[in-house]
Amino acid sequence: GESVGLHLPTLSVQEGDNSIINCAYSNSASDYFIWYKQESGKGPQFIIDIRSNMDKRQGQRVTVLLNKTVKHLSLQIAATQPGDSAVYFCAESYNTDKLIFGTGTRLQVFP
Amino acid sequence: DTAVSQTPKYLVTQMGNDKSIKCEQNLGHDTMYWYKQDSKKFLKIMFSYNNKELIINETVPNRFSPKSPDKAHLNLHINSLELGDSAVYFCASSQEMSDTQYFGPGTRLTVL
Repeated sequence: GESVGLHLPTLSVQEGDNSIINCAYSNSASDYFIWYKQESGKGPQFIIDIRSNMDKRQGQRVTVLLNKTVKHLSLQIAATQPGDSAVYFCAESYNTDKLIFGTGTRLQVFP
Repeated sequence: DTAVSQTPKYLVTQMGNDKSIKCEQNLGHDTMYWYKQDSKKFLKIMFSYNNKELIINETVPNRFSPKSPDKAHLNLHINSLELGDSAVYFCASSQEMSDTQYFGPGTRLTVL
């Protein structure tokens, strides 16, 4: 169902530190997962994806970890930079069906 | 080069009016989508089209009518606008439903 949270969860990190953004997904049968980054006033931007036959995937400064046992997805950002400040969404899908988005986490990077 | 573009970026209108939002993608994708993002940032799919055919209709009020004149365009027409329609509407496209979706910049609709 839809999220009704009053405020977005917020993660505040210092520039240069590593960030870990967590996501609990809902469907144990989901087989495709994506992380999106949404900067203020812009549309979501693809960061990295992972399929259920993997438990880890790395990109440039980002790593996605998938734990199917507990239905948990995480996004790790190395050496966080001010430009990483945004809202991050995880999304899941099953069998090429529509994407279901999570509620989002706001990442704030301070100097 | 804009991959997925939407017009207008901002739309302010009175309750009861009819308005349209246009979307175009130049990625050669077969599938296009409309999403609604509410004030709490929750992003929810409304429609999906594949090669001009409606694939997904997520129990959206029938005041909302998508139209796909060709596979590069998916427009959204909204009749009898209500206050609750105020949101940011995003268009997106992908090659297949299972592929990465690329989003447009959004249209912020404000109904007064």
